[in-house]
Amino acid sequence: GAGVSQSPSNKVTEKGKDVELRCDPISGHTALYWYRQSLGQGLEFLIYFQGNSAPDKSGLPSDRFSAERTGGSVSTLTIQRTQQEDSAVYLCASSLYLNTEAFFGQGTRLTVV
Amino acid sequence: AQSVTQPDIHITVSEGASLELRCNYSYGATPYLFWYVQSPGQGLQLLLKYFSGDTLVQGIKGFEAEFKRSQSSFNLRKPSVHWSDAAEYFCAVVLYGGSQGNLIFGKGTKLSVKP
Repeated sequence: GAGVSQSPSNKVTEKGKDVELRCDPISGHTALYWYRQSLGQGLEFLIYFQGNSAPDKSGLPSDRFSAERTGGSVSTLTIQRTQQEDSAVYLCASSLYLNTEAFFGQGTRLTVV
Repeated sequence: AQSVTQPDIHITVSEGASLELRCNYSYGATPYLFWYVQSPGQGLQLLLKYFSGDTLVQGIKGFEAEFKRSQSSFNLRKPSVHWSDAAEYFCAVVLYGGSQGNLIFGKGTKLSVKP
């Protein structure tokens, strides 16, 4: 596609439920990144993929968070047993290669009630 | 530890006035440097980037930034601000060739423009 696409754009979920956030990167981009943006917290790095592998998962806030990428394209960020502190905007980005300029999607606004 | 500092949380300038947003980084080597802008409710848009070469880089929307190695800075400038420039601006770095594959962002500077 022309840009990075994220879905859904907004998600309201009940505390304790699982959610899946989807990211479609720019076609041909090998690297994909997930960030979280909370009010007053700036942009927090979560995880990146080079191809389908994620060499460093230390940025994930807890073991309730997981991410996968299949076919070197679409990525899914899963949050299990959501908590209110998970409420944030989750941003996905992709770049042609690792450490080159990243292009961001519009984000998914997650609200846990 | 590697870090990016944007010392100004919020800046207000008058329309037509000049603008400079500060960014300092802490790295052992020269990283790749970026400035992104985020309008309310929007994703991040790349304004400009510095990889190597000329230390003064031009970006979109009339912005420019100057890399100063001696000061570990990459300040963003615009000669004349427009009301539509009101947004949040993020400086970011990535270490070329490093094992860290992610952009490190500063906390952001919110720009307000008064008539």
